[in-house]
Amino acid sequence: EAGVAQSPRYKIIEKRQSVAFWCNPISGHATLYWYQQILGQGPKLLIQFQNNGVVDDSQLPKDRFSAERLKGVDSTLKIQPAKLEDSAVYLCASSLEQGGTLETQYFGPGTRLLVL
Amino acid sequence: ELKVEQNPLFLSMQEGKNYTIYCNYSTTSDRLYWYRQDPGKSLESLFVLLSNGAVKQEGRLMASLDTKARLSTLHITAAVHDLSATYFCAVDIGNQFYFGTGTSLTVIP
Repeated sequence: EAGVAQSPRYKIIEKRQSVAFWCNPISGHATLYWYQQILGQGPKLLIQFQNNGVVDDSQLPKDRFSAERLKGVDSTLKIQPAKLEDSAVYLCASSLEQGGTLETQYFGPGTRLLVL
Repeated sequence: ELKVEQNPLFLSMQEGKNYTIYCNYSTTSDRLYWYRQDPGKSLESLFVLLSNGAVKQEGRLMASLDTKARLSTLHITAAVHDLSATYFCAVDIGNQFYFGTGTSLTVIP
């Protein structure tokens, strides 16, 4: 079974530039998550989708971050404009369905963003 | 404010020794997950604990959950070098995961 795919794996940009990340979840997984993991910390949830609807985006800095999940499969996360403090690993995860009895989240390899 | 705290943050132990990592959380939850993260890699699911008193074991790792104490433990038995990694607990609150601070484990030969 293919895992969660993410691209690019690495990205270096200058502050105030824009960047976009792509995620393809495990086939059949209805729930998709984007996390931000700053070096030395645990992942922090940015946004959660159930199919193509947003379940929670309370921790998403909406003035600069946006995300969409068209057709309930792939998702993109965009930062515009980027700040230095956005340097982090952006992890995408998926799970079969929200609130199931065994809802392990499966994580992708992450996109490492460095903002200069 | 929800807090998920792990201790220790850093752990260096010799091969063959036993040790326990603790995960405390500040609000009610009966679902807790343990993940492993190798340097530069993503997170790998280790255990899913879904009820009070749940205990899961895989190889040299054993995880338990006490929902009344809001505490989970990850016990390492006879550590080996391959277990060196960062371990995260994650608490499921309202179907959202809140991750702990992580415990960086180094097993010394």
